[in-house]
Amino acid sequence: DVKVTQSSRYLVKRTGEKVFLECVQDMDHENMFWYRQDPGLGLRLIYFSYDVKMKEKGDIPEGYSVSREKKERFSLILESASTNQTSMYLCASSIPVGAGNKRGYTDTQYFGPGTRLTVL
Amino acid sequence: AQKITQTQPGMFVQEKEAVTLDCTYDTSDPSYGLFWYKQPSSGEMIFLIYQGSYDQQNATEGRYSLNFQKARKSANLVISASQLGDSAMYFCAMREANFGNEKLTFGTGTRLTIIP
Repeated sequence: DVKVTQSSRYLVKRTGEKVFLECVQDMDHENMFWYRQDPGLGLRLIYFSYDVKMKEKGDIPEGYSVSREKKERFSLILESASTNQTSMYLCASSIPVGAGNKRGYTDTQYFGPGTRLTVL
Repeated sequence: AQKITQTQPGMFVQEKEAVTLDCTYDTSDPSYGLFWYKQPSSGEMIFLIYQGSYDQQNATEGRYSLNFQKARKSANLVISASQLGDSAMYFCAMREANFGNEKLTFGTGTRLTIIP
């Protein structure tokens, strides 16, 4: 089974703090993603990565950065947390599109349990 | 324009009845994929079903089926014989172009509540 884990389920930080959200997957997936989820807005992509040390901006990258030093780990960094970054953060991983048939399963994204971040 | 539209913010359905969750999409790309995910109160997104734009048959996975109407650009999720455990948020998502584009665009979701 695919397993994606996130370092914390709940996190409370103060405005201006530097925040690290960690995500680890154990299925040797090439792709990893960070989303934030807000009521009425669905999931919005922050950053994603195709490979180690590779990163691409998603739809809402402002105020965030990412790091992918190892294939299994993708970190989301809030350099200076603000109250408008209070949200649910979801990490996901996947194999490259089209590789599913070769590996025997659907190339969907697999999600972690989420981190609910509150910035005070 | 919204790429994925889910017009039902919330639905209440009696247990054992069938449920249809609506999803319409907008794309000019002839090659795309459509996904449905379930998010229980625990927060984890669970993949349910996938439909490729070139698939001839509607996708089915157990009690889940996808009513794919390409000309109308709709991809409704049908849950047969609903159960209490089906109570959750449901998200429709689209990936444009089967190869080379890894990103998903999500709708705003539908909260389904199954009534005993």
